[in-house]
Amino acid sequence: QSALTQPPSASGSPGQSVTISCTGTSSDVGGYYSVSWYQQHPGKAPKLIIYQVTKRPSGVPDRFSGSKSGNTASLTVSGLQAEDEADYYCCSYAGSNTYVLFGGGTKVTVL
Amino acid sequence: EVQLLESGGGLVQPGGSLRLSCAASGFTFINYAMTWVRQAPGKGLEWVATVRGGGDTIYADSVKGRFTISRDNSKNMVYVQMNSLRAEDTAIYYCVRDDGRHAEVFEIWGQGTRVTVSS
Repeated sequence: QSALTQPPSASGSPGQSVTISCTGTSSDVGGYYSVSWYQQHPGKAPKLIIYQVTKRPSGVPDRFSGSKSGNTASLTVSGLQAEDEADYYCCSYAGSNTYVLFGGGTKVTVL
Repeated sequence: EVQLLESGGGLVQPGGSLRLSCAASGFTFINYAMTWVRQAPGKGLEWVATVRGGGDTIYADSVKGRFTISRDNSKNMVYVQMNSLRAEDTAIYYCVRDDGRHAEVFEIWGQGTRVTVSS
């Protein structure tokens, strides 16, 4: 199966909001309530910021929120801060054969 | 403190083999599924393989038949044996722990170990 589709880049000014989409199919994003989002700063390991579409792990600011509609999941970062500049990856469960798929990643720039 | 520490990366020729190891600490190891995720230079994340606490395994099509994931619950270790390596296997390999309830939720990540396949 192909990777999930994310826009390559997104940007916003400090304090603004940015939303990243993650489009899959009914066999992955649309078929399960199991989309996760990961933040990766340059040279660092990824960090889980959203799981099961909308849940935030302990310690993740509530500026990060997730949602899903049909075959598309979204990550919204509200009140952008300089430290939010990073790559963001979505990931979806895709059934027992394919298991999981990642998106291609979105580079968020804080202007 | 929960920690994952990978080792075993390096330079290997095409067709060669390499075994990566991941030492886990700070949690009850057997209760968690463990996964290897890789990232080619300048590219995105790619799921490689997962081993559940009881030993069940699943692989990405790109590595099936060439890679073998395993775990030793007595040593809190997870491994991936990589055979018939190709240039496209060049990547940073991350050892990842799930959240304890959903094997596909990658909660804790190691710092990664670099594998380069080149002649």
